[in-house]
Amino acid sequence: AQSVAQPEDQVNVAEGNPLTVKCTYSVSGNPYLFWYVQYPNRGLQFLLKYITGDNLVKGSYGFEAEFNKSQTSFHLKKPSALVSDSALYFCAVRDVTNAGKSTFGDGTTLTVKP
Amino acid sequence: DGGITQSPKYLFRKEGQNVTLSCEQNLNHDAMYWYRQDPGQGLRLIYYSQIVNDFQKGDIAEGYSVSREKKESFPLTVTSAQKNPTAFYLCASSGVQGVYNQPQHFGDGTRLSIL
Repeated sequence: AQSVAQPEDQVNVAEGNPLTVKCTYSVSGNPYLFWYVQYPNRGLQFLLKYITGDNLVKGSYGFEAEFNKSQTSFHLKKPSALVSDSALYFCAVRDVTNAGKSTFGDGTTLTVKP
Repeated sequence: DGGITQSPKYLFRKEGQNVTLSCEQNLNHDAMYWYRQDPGQGLRLIYYSQIVNDFQKGDIAEGYSVSREKKESFPLTVTSAQKNPTAFYLCASSGVQGVYNQPQHFGDGTRLSIL
């Protein structure tokens, strides 16, 4: 069975500082990994994905993520946080051996303070 | 603009009542999904459909039912058998059947509460 863990319920950073939101995964085959962001009372919005190739993936709004196969991790990063980045972030994995079903982490609330 | 429309945004259910949540997409996507979101928990899959006239149970299907008569529509019925229906319900879609490297597109959700 596939699973995703986001070990931090909450991450707090100061505006202008780098941010990291952590994600580890477990899947039987090759993983397709995704990050989504959710603002209050809204649906999830896609940020970036890792399918294959370069371990550093760049996405929307200046976010990037680093895929590490040996550590089964896919951490979300941004060099300089903005107050407007404050939101709920979800990591997800899709496994082609499981009918493409997605499994989501429990989410990490990012708060960026001015 | 292409997207997913969920309605209503807020819904209230009385005891013993079935309610239906609407989900419509104009993205020409084959696959559609229903998730339930509770505070502090991730998204849990209720039902999914990879093609018209076919759907499968997800992890928490008890007390819910769906239909997929048209490609663009995937309504979810919350039946009276679902004893704890208060939650935020999200509908999603993704592209071609059998292609899993694409992200899911989400609607803006329906918040269901008990009267």
